[in-house]
Amino acid sequence: GENVEQHPSTLSVQEGDSAVIKCTYSDSASNYFPWYKQELGKRPQLIIDIRSNVGEKKDQRIAVTLNKTAKHFSLHITETQPEDSAVYFCAASIQGAQKLVFGQGTRLTINP
Amino acid sequence: SAVISQKPSRDICQRGTSLTIQCQVDSQVTMMFWYRQQPGQSLTLIATANQGSEATYESGFVIDKFPISRPNLTFSTLTVSNMSPEDSSIYLCSGADGSAQHFGDGTRLSIL
Repeated sequence: GENVEQHPSTLSVQEGDSAVIKCTYSDSASNYFPWYKQELGKRPQLIIDIRSNVGEKKDQRIAVTLNKTAKHFSLHITETQPEDSAVYFCAASIQGAQKLVFGQGTRLTINP
Repeated sequence: SAVISQKPSRDICQRGTSLTIQCQVDSQVTMMFWYRQQPGQSLTLIATANQGSEATYESGFVIDKFPISRPNLTFSTLTVSNMSPEDSSIYLCSGADGSAQHFGDGTRLSIL
């Protein structure tokens, strides 16, 4: 079955700098790659997603890139702000937005 | 996006007992899922809740331990049966509308 590896497990950046989180997946049939942000004690919230027919997608300060050949995708956050501090999870699915396999998570801390 | 409500939000239970968690979505979704998230860990899919038929369980999860119902498109229940301390976790319901998957707030379960 699908396996998703996420790195780093923790990331600390200065406010205003950029943060990058990387994930690799094992199943070349995967076609949907969402990113979730989870603040302490709250639900995972979908922040951006990308499908296998697209190489890059942006939404304001957030972007995701996908390299199908290498089977990896990355989350880029620019101009980081304290409210970006949270745990971020990547996921992959071979069935669109259905059965998701999650990475291990990255705890992002933005230092003022 | 779909709004997903879960109850109870938390509970403390005695070992050997069972607890049923309810999940309600505010719009029709094509798929509903149940996940487990142990403290500080990632999300693991327990099963897909199928409308009007038996749920589809992932490896390591069985119907006798986690019976699931989905009587209609907008409602599902997960029962955690014969609980032990190892079942202490957060249980999350999600709904997928074909384009994205969204999560409820979760049920924090502690077993004494």
